[in-house]
Amino acid sequence: DGGITQSPKYLFRKEGQNVTLSCEQNLNHDAMYWYRQDPGQGLRLIYYSQIVNDFQKGDIAEGYSVSREKKESFPLTVTSAQKNPTAFYLCASSGWDRRNLAQPQHFGDGTRLSIL
Amino acid sequence: QKEVEQNSGPLSVPEGAIASLNCTYSDRGSQSFFWYRQYSGKSPELIMFIYSNGDKEDGRFTAQLNKASQYVSLLIRDSQPSDSATYLCAVSRGSTLGRLYFGRGTQLTVWP
Repeated sequence: DGGITQSPKYLFRKEGQNVTLSCEQNLNHDAMYWYRQDPGQGLRLIYYSQIVNDFQKGDIAEGYSVSREKKESFPLTVTSAQKNPTAFYLCASSGWDRRNLAQPQHFGDGTRLSIL
Repeated sequence: QKEVEQNSGPLSVPEGAIASLNCTYSDRGSQSFFWYRQYSGKSPELIMFIYSNGDKEDGRFTAQLNKASQYVSLLIRDSQPSDSATYLCAVSRGSTLGRLYFGRGTQLTVWP
């Protein structure tokens, strides 16, 4: 089945450690997105990518890094510079529309990151 | 002013009633509008999207868009306890593959 796979489901980070969250999609979507969600909050955009080897900062990019070497993959690294990384991280993807209208974003099941 | 605003709720309705969820947006040039449902501890799932003024119906759900007044709403008819969730409104300023702006969500509780 087509979809978005995020791994791991749960992740624990030690102080000073970088951790990488995986996001893979087989929907043949061009764009991919990373969001952070804190309890009782909406989604905040971290980074997004519209094409391979290119990405743009979202609203809260500090302390995070991404790469887009393949169309199917958009990993997110939470660096030690991110002092409050505990949150629910969501990856999404969307496809291209010839009318130049935004298409729905489809989400993975998310990764819960906590500090040890 | 936030891009997308929603009443955080909680909104509580009895089973079988109509639940009305509202969302306003600040950018008059916005072109695409989405409603997502998010159960506690889960990821958002798409309910509906709408591009044109007016109503769009899908089963028990109706999305209503009024670009002149810059609001979009979601009506849930014959509400069921299984509809209890947080509903997120998302708006795109335009261009395919671009970003969405999400509201903080409205928590809906449907009581039996």
